[in-house]
Formats: sequence, structure tokens, C-alpha cells
Amino acid sequence: QKEVEQDPGPLSVPEGAIVSLNCTYSNSAFQYFMWYRQYSRKGPELLMYTYSSGNKEDGRFTAQVDKSSKYISLFIRDSQPSDSATYLCAMSALGNNRLAFGKGNQVVVIP
Amino acid sequence: DADVTQTPRNRITKTGKRIMLECSQTKGHDRMYWYRQDPGLGLRLIYYSFDVKDINKGEISDGYSVSRQAQAKFSLSLESAIPNQTALYFCATQGHKNTEAFFGQGTRLTVV
Repeated sequence: QKEVEQDPGPLSVPEGAIVSLNCTYSNSAFQYFMWYRQYSRKGPELLMYTYSSGNKEDGRFTAQVDKSSKYISLFIRDSQPSDSATYLCAMSALGNNRLAFGKGNQVVVIP
Repeated sequence: DADVTQTPRNRITKTGKRIMLECSQTKGHDRMYWYRQDPGLGLRLIYYSFDVKDINKGEISDGYSVSRQAQAKFSLSLESAIPNQTALYFCATQGHKNTEAFFGQGTRLTVV
């Protein structure tokens, strides 16, 4: 079993819809949870960062972490065509900053 | 100028050739990483280095080698390139106390 599981299937949504992405993980030592956004032909960039369990909101983006279920989510409200990108979850353990990545989800927002 | 710079951005090479991908950073970070990205497989760690004298294998190091020439420079070599090494390669840096990783723009390598 990989440390981080993310269903890589592409996701197409109409503009304005809510996008829901999620990852599961197996390593209970993970404490730091991130979502990276990668536009075509670019490197990944940090989008959201959460420490331990809970929710974090930043504009149209909400990140949720449920450590008891080893499950993290990213929600994008009022999706825009500019949100079309690949979204990768990543996580690391306290004292070991090496990141474990999910496979990424390609999201297409259709105008 | 980009904080993490990779050269070249694109490269086509023949099977059996030696090729080096270079990465330099201006962020002053100790930690540097090399990943490859393939469709459906995500980012896979090849090698990483926590300082100039430290080199560690990642999950897919076979067929690759690295050199950490200075804090700011980390190069990846393919001693004898093969077609299944065709991929998008990313260099990343990370501060000692920070978790966020900063990525370069990537090198698209094609081995024919």
C-alpha cells in the first residue's frame, strides 16, 4: 500500500460548481498536510497548508483534515476556468520534512 | 528570476547517452530533491540531499546519480539513458524548518 492514495482520474465540472478532491494515507505519523496546484507545463505550487486536524479556508478554497480517518479533502467553491489544473496532495511527518505526494487529480472547469 | 532554475527545459537524447540535468536555487535552502513525473504515476522521488555532504536514494534511484556541488546546486545524471526514462523531471528545494517545497519549472526529457 502506498503511503498516500489519490485517485488520479480526471474531473470535469461546469463553471461555478464545487470541486471536491480527496486523499487517504496510511502513515499515522503525518502531521503536515498540503495541497499543491500544477498548471500545464509548470512546476507544482503550494495552494493550501494545514497542520494536524481541522479545516482551513482561504477564499474559495477549503482544506479539511480528518486524522482519525486518515483522510484529507480540498474543496473549491464557485470554480473558475482558471482553476483548471492538476491538484496534488502532499504530507509529511513531524521531524522529517520529506514530502509524500499523491498522484494528482486533473481538474477541468468548463466555461 | 525564478527561485529554482532547471536547465535544460527540454532535451531529446539517444539511448545510451549520458545526460545531466542541472538545478540551482537562490532560496538559501539546505534541502534539495529530484522527482520525475509520469502520467498516472504522479511525482516519484529519485534522490534527495539535506546538505552538501548528504545524498540519499529515493524510491526510484536505479539508473540515476546525483551530485550536490554546493548548497545552491544539485544535478541529476543519467549515465546511460533508456527510453523508459522519458519523463518530466522536477527539482525542488525546502528549508530546514519549513515544510513547503518550491519547485523548478521542470525539464522535459525524451530518450529515443
